[in-house]
Amino acid sequence: DAGVIQSPRHEVTEMGQEVTLRCKPISGHNSLFWYRQTMMRGLELLIYFNNNVPIDDSGMPEDRFSAKMPNASFSTLKIQPSEPRDSAVYFCASSLKVRDYEQYFGPGTRLTVT
Amino acid sequence: RKEVEQDPGPFNVPEGATVAFNCTYSNSASQSFFWYRQDCRKEPKLLMSVYSSGNEDGRFTAQLNRASQYISLLIRDSKLSDSATYLCVVNKGTGGFKTIFGAGTRLFVKA
Repeated sequence: DAGVIQSPRHEVTEMGQEVTLRCKPISGHNSLFWYRQTMMRGLELLIYFNNNVPIDDSGMPEDRFSAKMPNASFSTLKIQPSEPRDSAVYFCASSLKVRDYEQYFGPGTRLTVT
Repeated sequence: RKEVEQDPGPFNVPEGATVAFNCTYSNSASQSFFWYRQDCRKEPKLLMSVYSSGNEDGRFTAQLNRASQYISLLIRDSKLSDSATYLCVVNKGTGGFKTIFGAGTRLFVKA
């Protein structure tokens, strides 16, 4: 199994630009999670999906952030417009089920907004 | 108060030492518990789940005390390869679901 795939691995963009992060979960997993990790705030859950449906987006910091999961094998996290404080590592994780099951993380996307 | 709190670290120990990490959580509705390991500039990976009865996996032992809302991880006979950040993870299940990660405890094992 290829594991969770994320792209791009690194993204450098200028403030005000739109950024789209992509994630392909492990085949057969029904739950997908987006996290953000910074030194100051640690690892934060932004949003999670179950069976392609967004269940809880209370961790999304602002309306500038949006996430979609059009099918079981693909999800995007979009930031528009981006700001320097959005600089972080963004992880996508998938799990067989929402509860009590191991989450498998992708390698992350390191985002730098200048 | 943070929902999940861990020892701040870093822990610097020699090879072969025994080291213990502690974690407390604030929400009594929490339902499942895990320890993840994260290497520098890598993604978190599950180390072990934590059960009320306690569980052991080789050199690693995890304990859960629901009454005190406390989780621990014990590493025996530390290896250089154990050097990493250890993340305490709590899932809240009542009325929804949320994964809360602790800030992590950094461990350095030295020869």
